[in-house]
Amino acid sequence: EAQVTQNPRYLITVTGKKLTVTCSQNMNHEYMSWYRQDPGLGLRQIYYSMNVEVTDKGDVPEGYKVSRKEKRNFPLILESPSPNQTSLYFCASRGPGAQYFGPGTRLLVL
Amino acid sequence: GENVGLHLPTLSVQEGDNSIINCAYSNSASDYFIWYKQESGKGPQFIIDIRSNMDKRQGQRVTVLLNKTVKHLSLQIAATQPGDSAVYFCAETVDTGGFKTIFGAGTRLFVKA
Repeated sequence: EAQVTQNPRYLITVTGKKLTVTCSQNMNHEYMSWYRQDPGLGLRQIYYSMNVEVTDKGDVPEGYKVSRKEKRNFPLILESPSPNQTSLYFCASRGPGAQYFGPGTRLLVL
Repeated sequence: GENVGLHLPTLSVQEGDNSIINCAYSNSASDYFIWYKQESGKGPQFIIDIRSNMDKRQGQRVTVLLNKTVKHLSLQIAATQPGDSAVYFCAETVDTGGFKTIFGAGTRLFVKA
């Protein structure tokens, strides 16, 4: 089954404590991206990656890092989380004719 | 600047009627548009897409119309069913050497039985 998986699904953390949200896809897609979703703001793109070792900033990259060392994985890293990064995060991968989203990671930064 | 938005935040329709969800975009350079459906607690689900060299594209019970003159995109759902109740997003992809995607804020569709 074609899918995008994210872990963890839910996370509560404290300000400044580094965290990583993993994302993996099994469709051999080259293009992957991360979004955050906030009430009234829709989905905003954080980072995207066109292929292994190729990443670029989206609309809201501040406070986030990504890496793409292999095609299937695209982790999102928050080096020093802050409360304004409390949000619902989605990873996505894109293939011909469609973009597949993961189930989401709900993050609360205290 | 680049912006994708929706005319109506909510839409209520009777079961069996047709639904029309609208979207405006501002970047005439955008070349690829997508409609997504998001149900509560789930990630967005791809519905249908259209490229800028097309005016209309049909899927199963859904049709997307693109009017480049007025930068308008619409999603038509035929014979709306209770299972269609969700938030619908339009998205605009701008090919700037990558595939930067901008989403609209979303329209919530309520289907009345």
